[in-house]
Amino acid sequence: DAGVTQSPTHLIKTRGQQVTLRCSPKSGHDTVSWYQQALGQGPQFIFQYYEEEERQRGNFPDRFSGHQFPNYSSELNVNALLLGDSALYLCASSLVLGLPEQYFGPGTRLTVT
Amino acid sequence: AQTVTQSQPEMSVQEAETVTLSCTYDTSESDYYLFWYKQPPSRQMILVIRQEAYKQQNATENRFSVNFQKAAKSFSLKISDSQLGDAAMYFCAYRSVRGGSQGNLIFGKGTKLSVKP
Repeated sequence: DAGVTQSPTHLIKTRGQQVTLRCSPKSGHDTVSWYQQALGQGPQFIFQYYEEEERQRGNFPDRFSGHQFPNYSSELNVNALLLGDSALYLCASSLVLGLPEQYFGPGTRLTVT
Repeated sequence: AQTVTQSQPEMSVQEAETVTLSCTYDTSESDYYLFWYKQPPSRQMILVIRQEAYKQQNATENRFSVNFQKAAKSFSLKISDSQLGDAAMYFCAYRSVRGGSQGNLIFGKGTKLSVKP
């Protein structure tokens, strides 16, 4: 039973660039949520995708966008990167009619220089 | 808006002993879920235990148990017979039952647990 996977593991970008992070949900899950975890902080909710649509969104600017594919995998895109975007980006999956917990991937560490 | 507060930035416990991590939350909702997640240095967030607000009985998972006090909005995690592998960041999280397909998680800032051999 494959768990949540994310790619890449680490990424270094320059201010102003754009980045795409990828997530494959746990087998059987249909909902993907993205979180940003700054150093020493708890994760902050970015947005959630279900049925290929953004269903909920946290307090993040429009520079953060996403997509969900028919196979339930998802991408997180960040445009015009700022130094403050440096963080661990976590993907979590769940089943909309299943248990209430979310299962997390190992994260992508993004460094913006 | 809901908030989650973990007032202990760091805790330490001797191997084989018991430790309790504290969490309080603020909500106007009557039905919700509470979770404890563990994040070891490998970074992957691992679910430790879940509590449904409508259940009076405290959840238990092997060496992990919670003390859920709904009126006080308190949700502490007790780790019994602590092991070296329990060393990690522990996050308390809240999830509303409302809000569409699956509500998002609201996390506290975490408690770093060290286990001494």
